[in-house]
Amino acid sequence: GAVVSQHPSWVICKSGTSVKIECRSLDFQATTMFWYRQFPKQSLMLMATSNEGSKATYEQGVEKDKFLINHASLTLSTLTVTSAHPEDSSFYICSAKQGAYGYTFGSGTRLTVV
Amino acid sequence: RKEVEQDPGPFNVPEGATVAFNCTYSNSASQSFFWYRQDCRKEPKLLMSVYSSGNEDGRFTAQLNRASQYISLLIRDSKLSDSATYLCVVNSPGNTPLVFGKGTRLSVIA
Repeated sequence: GAVVSQHPSWVICKSGTSVKIECRSLDFQATTMFWYRQFPKQSLMLMATSNEGSKATYEQGVEKDKFLINHASLTLSTLTVTSAHPEDSSFYICSAKQGAYGYTFGSGTRLTVV
Repeated sequence: RKEVEQDPGPFNVPEGATVAFNCTYSNSASQSFFWYRQDCRKEPKLLMSVYSSGNEDGRFTAQLNRASQYISLLIRDSKLSDSATYLCVVNSPGNTPLVFGKGTRLSVIA
């Protein structure tokens, strides 16, 4: 089946630093990757949709200059949280759709900003 | 109004109990419907798709009422391992993102 590998699984960083999260499709080509964020006891909220070779589409209220998305190849999409602050602490997860396999999720990244 | 609404629970039930979760969605253009299961600090995993005719997978039965924009999940003979958060999910046609409900927390107690 389709597999999306997401790294890191968890990260602790200091306020003001940047963190990069990678999602890699291992056995299929992901032309589109969806990035979600989940705060405690909340639903997964779509942040942005990244398309290979073009600019990402951001949901309302998500700062594109703060959450940089790069989808330079058909197997790799990255989300960089720039100048992270404690309120950015959350569970970030990516998802891609692959044909008959439907939607596949990465294992998620738990970000804690101290 | 949120696109997908669920009762957050928690539902605390004894082993062997039958429990039902409900969900409503607001986008009438939604075409695909799912129940996902999410364990604490983990990614959501597909439990089952939901069809208008209703479908069953072992102890799990899902129903869809398009006219009412209502989805349900019934779990029979609850097991301790069923303890998790159950997410109601809808999707529009094409390469579009899944839209998640907030989830319903289930705790099955011995």
